[in-house]
Parts: sequence; structure tokens; C-alpha cells
Amino acid sequence: KAGVTQTPRYLIKTRGQQVTLSCSPISGHRSVSWYQQTPGQGLQFLFEYFSETQRNKGNFPGRFSGRQFSNSRSEMNVSTLELGDSALYLCASSPGTGPSPLHFGNGTRLTVT
Amino acid sequence: GEDVEQSLFLSVREGDSSVINCTYTDSSSTYLYWYKQEPGAGLQLLTYIFSNMDMKQDQRLTVLLNKKDKHLSLRIADTQTGDSAIYFCAESIDSSYKLIFGSGTRLLVRP
Repeated sequence: KAGVTQTPRYLIKTRGQQVTLSCSPISGHRSVSWYQQTPGQGLQFLFEYFSETQRNKGNFPGRFSGRQFSNSRSEMNVSTLELGDSALYLCASSPGTGPSPLHFGNGTRLTVT
Repeated sequence: GEDVEQSLFLSVREGDSSVINCTYTDSSSTYLYWYKQEPGAGLQLLTYIFSNMDMKQDQRLTVLLNKKDKHLSLRIADTQTGDSAIYFCAESIDSSYKLIFGSGTRLLVRP
């Protein structure tokens, strides 16, 4: 079974631009979560989607948004990029019903200049 | 509030056992996880334990959970140089898919 796939692996953007990251979950998984990893703040939860609905949200500004499609693939968008948005963005998938572990992808490394 | 703490660094000799410790604060944690991260990579799920269990063993890995003290440990037997990585402890709150992560323990295995 293929794992969680995130594209692209690397991105370089300029302050003020917007960016869209993509995540394809493990086949059959309906929950997709997004996390931000930075050296200063560590791993922080952004949001979680299940069946195209946001089920949980972390403490990030409204510039960070996401969505999920009917095939469970998810995208996250960051608008008006700031230097502090430079991070590794990790996506995780899970079956989504009942307690079950999260499986992570290799992440998208975003650099904002 | 929700908080997970880990020591920052551990160095062991190849062939020895490694023990990585973690403490958490939320008593409503349902799952506790250990993830491994190698340079430039994402998080690899190593093992996880239900909060109603005391111990779980999986090949070279042993997880111990002391729910009274909110203490979790990961023991790696016969540690190899390939085990050098950052290890993250995480808890899930109220059966949700929101994980609270510790800051990670960097394990260095010396030949």
C-alpha cells in the first residue's frame, strides 16, 4: 500500500505570495491532518479534515486554510506569506473512524524569502 | 493545559539499550505515540500505546506507560547506528486526531 504522498517536496516563495500544498492520503483513509514543524515552535497542529469537513483546528491565523476533496485528497493554502511561515509542512492520514494512529508523509519544505 | 516534555539529547554506544523518556500533562490522553524522524524526512510511526495499557513490546521496541505519573518511555534494545535520529513522543487528546508533540530527543549512537 502506498504511503502518504505530499507534493511538492520543496518550495521557495516570496513574502506576500500565496502557496498551495497537496496531500494524498493512504488508500482508504478518510482523515487528513496538517502540521507545521519549525525549529523554534516544534510540531504544531494546523487542522484536520474528514469527509470534506474540517473537524478540528489549531491556533493559526486565517491565512492558513485547507480543504478536502471527495477522494480524500487534501490541500492547504497559505496566503500573504510571511518569513515566519518558512517550515516543514507535514500531512498525516488515518482511517478517521475510531481511535487509530496517524501516518505521516515526508513533508513539503517551504522557504519564504 | 496540554504539554509534552522530553529530554533533548541522548548518546549511547552501539549494542547498548537506549531509553527515551517523556512526560505529558493531559489525563484525557487516549493514545500515546512514538515517532522517529531522520534528517530531511517526515515522521515514521514507530509504535503507539492505548492509555489503558501499561506496556507494549514490538521487536526491539518496548513502551512503558505509567499513567499515574503521566510518564512514557521508549526502550530500544541492541541500539544500532541506524537508530540515530530524533524521536518524538506525542499524545492524542479525547480520541481526536490532534496530536500534541514533545520537542524531540536526539539520539546519537556511537560505534
